[in-house]
Amino acid sequence: KAGVTQTPRYLIKTRGQQVTLSCSPISGHRSVSWYQQTPGQGLQFLFEYFSETQRNKGNFPGRFSGRQFSNSRSEMNVSTLELGDSALYLCASSPFHGSSGTSGRYEQYFGPGTRLTVT
Amino acid sequence: ILNVEQSPQSLHVQEGDSTNFTCSFPSSNFYALHWYRWETAKSPEALFVMTLNGDEKKKGRISATLNTKEGYSYLYIKGSQPEDSATYLCAAPRGSARQLTFGSGTQLTVLP
Repeated sequence: KAGVTQTPRYLIKTRGQQVTLSCSPISGHRSVSWYQQTPGQGLQFLFEYFSETQRNKGNFPGRFSGRQFSNSRSEMNVSTLELGDSALYLCASSPFHGSSGTSGRYEQYFGPGTRLTVT
Repeated sequence: ILNVEQSPQSLHVQEGDSTNFTCSFPSSNFYALHWYRWETAKSPEALFVMTLNGDEKKKGRISATLNTKEGYSYLYIKGSQPEDSATYLCAAPRGSARQLTFGSGTQLTVLP
């Protein structure tokens, strides 16, 4: 099976602009989660989408948003970019087998990430 | 707020040495504990998902144990090789959700 893919891999934007990142999960995986990785904060959860619905959201401002399409591909959008948004953005997909009550027990498969630099 | 802590922050060992590091997490309302390996310029890769107190899992030379009552997990690497050099991350889900809270990681360097 092909792994999780993310596009673009690198991106340079200026403050105030907006950006859209894309993630294609492993075939058959319906859950996509997004994480931000910075040197100071480590890996932090942004949000999770399942069946085109946001299921969980981390502690990030409303400038960070996302969506999921019917084919499970997901996009993440950051509006009004700030210098502090410079980071590696990772998405991860996860299989789903029945009850959502067991979802935290399934490993996540990460993509290579998008390195965003805001100048 | 779910607090997941890892120690040590970094570790240098010689090829052939065995090593271990620790992940601490809240023991109340435990649901699962994940271990990932993240090599430079690659994606984080899942090693184990542990769910039961006393769990011991093994993958090649890497093994992990879990103590949910006291809130810790150990990751062991037997006979470290240079290719084991990576950052090892543990993470706990918030309840049953897929929302993972990661520790800051242990950066392992295996010297030839």
